[in-house]
Amino acid sequence: NAGVMQNPRHLVRRRGQEARLRCSPMKGHSHVYWYRQLPEEGLKFMVYLQKENIIDESGMPKERFSAEFPKEGPSILRIQQVVRGDSAAYFCASSPPSGTNSPLHFGNGTRLTVT
Amino acid sequence: AQSVAQPEDQVNVAEGNPLTVKCTYSVSGNPYLFWYVQYPNRGLQFLLKYITGDNLVKGSYGFEAEFNKSQTSFHLKKPSALVSDSALYFCAVRVPNNAGNMLTFGGGTRLMVKP
Repeated sequence: NAGVMQNPRHLVRRRGQEARLRCSPMKGHSHVYWYRQLPEEGLKFMVYLQKENIIDESGMPKERFSAEFPKEGPSILRIQQVVRGDSAAYFCASSPPSGTNSPLHFGNGTRLTVT
Repeated sequence: AQSVAQPEDQVNVAEGNPLTVKCTYSVSGNPYLFWYVQYPNRGLQFLLKYITGDNLVKGSYGFEAEFNKSQTSFHLKKPSALVSDSALYFCAVRVPNNAGNMLTFGGGTRLMVKP
């Protein structure tokens, strides 16, 4: 039973380019969460999605960042016109469709470096 | 708003000695509490959770945590530390009536176990 799969593991972008981060949840999980971790800091919530719906995006920057979780395929976190401050590790987590006491299962993250 | 505090950036302990990693929380309502561990260049791994019932919960790798409602704490403990326990530890909280399973994380505590 594969865990949460994120790709790529490492992504290098120049300032102004676009970054697309992918996340495939665990089998049977329909809830996806994206978190950002800056160096030597904790995880900050960005967005919570269910299939075809954004449930909570209160942690997403208002500009340049967007997320989707289509009916088919992985969840995508998209960062347009990246800046150096976007350099961080981005983690995706998933959980089953019901039960608020279920722990989140995390992927190994995508480490974005903006040069 | 809910929050989690991990007052120690780093905890140093000798192998074989007991360890404690501290966590306090602030929420409205009854919390669900979690501990995760992060090894270098990896995602977060679930260790244990408190939902209800016995205040002492046991988790993976010999770790346990004690829920203390009056002190709003959920400290992580292990009777005898191993060098392989060296990692970054995160405490997290969820309010049960939140939409989904979104977690709020503390800033993390680096545990260093020396031989």
